Amino acid sequence: GAGVSQSPRYKVAKRGQDVALRCDPISGHVSLFWYQQALGQGPEFLTYFQNEAQLDKSGLPSDRFFAERPEGSVSTLKIQRTQQEDSAVYLCASSLGGTVRRGELFFGEGSRLTVL
Amino acid sequence: AQSVSQHNHHVILSEAASLELGCNYSYGGTVNLFWYVQYPGQHLQLLLKYFSGDPLVKGIKGFEAEFIKSKFSFNLRKPSVQWSDTAEYFCAGGVGSQGNLIFGKGTKLSVKP
Repeated sequence: GAGVSQSPRYKVAKRGQDVALRCDPISGHVSLFWYQQALGQGPEFLTYFQNEAQLDKSGLPSDRFFAERPEGSVSTLKIQRTQQEDSAVYLCASSLGGTVRRGELFFGEGSRLTVL
Repeated sequence: AQSVSQHNHHVILSEAASLELGCNYSYGGTVNLFWYVQYPGQHLQLLLKYFSGDPLVKGIKGFEAEFIKSKFSFNLRKPSVQWSDTAEYFCAGGVGSQGNLIFGKGTKLSVKP
């Protein structure tokens, strides 16, 4: 596609529900990132894939958060037993190369999760 | 610990005023620095980036930033802002051998027509 596509754009979940957020990166982009952006804050790093390999998951806040990119393209961020503090916009970004020097991250519009 | 900090939470300017948004970083080693912009209702977009070489980098829409190593700063500037520059601006940094970027908390810019 022309850009990074995320779905759903908006998700309301009851506390305790599981949610899955999808990211479709730009075709051919090697790297894929997930960020969490709380209201009034900057994006906070969650995890990073290079192709299908998850190279860094140090930002995942708890073991309720799980991300995968099984075929090196589409990625899913899963949050189990959602809590109110999980309410945020979840941003996906992709880039052509494999390290910071690759240059530009292309961001999707985000998935806004509200946990009631 | 690696960090990026932005000094101003919200800046309000009139059209044609000059802009400078502060950004400081805390990194060991070679750092790569970026400014991203998020216009209302849109996704984050790259404004400019610094990897090495000339410390004054020029980006899109008349923005520029200067890397001052001695001050650990990478401030964003524009000589004359327009109403269409109303947006949120994020400074970000990363180390060349690592994959992820660390973002500052952002500065909201409001330009009055």
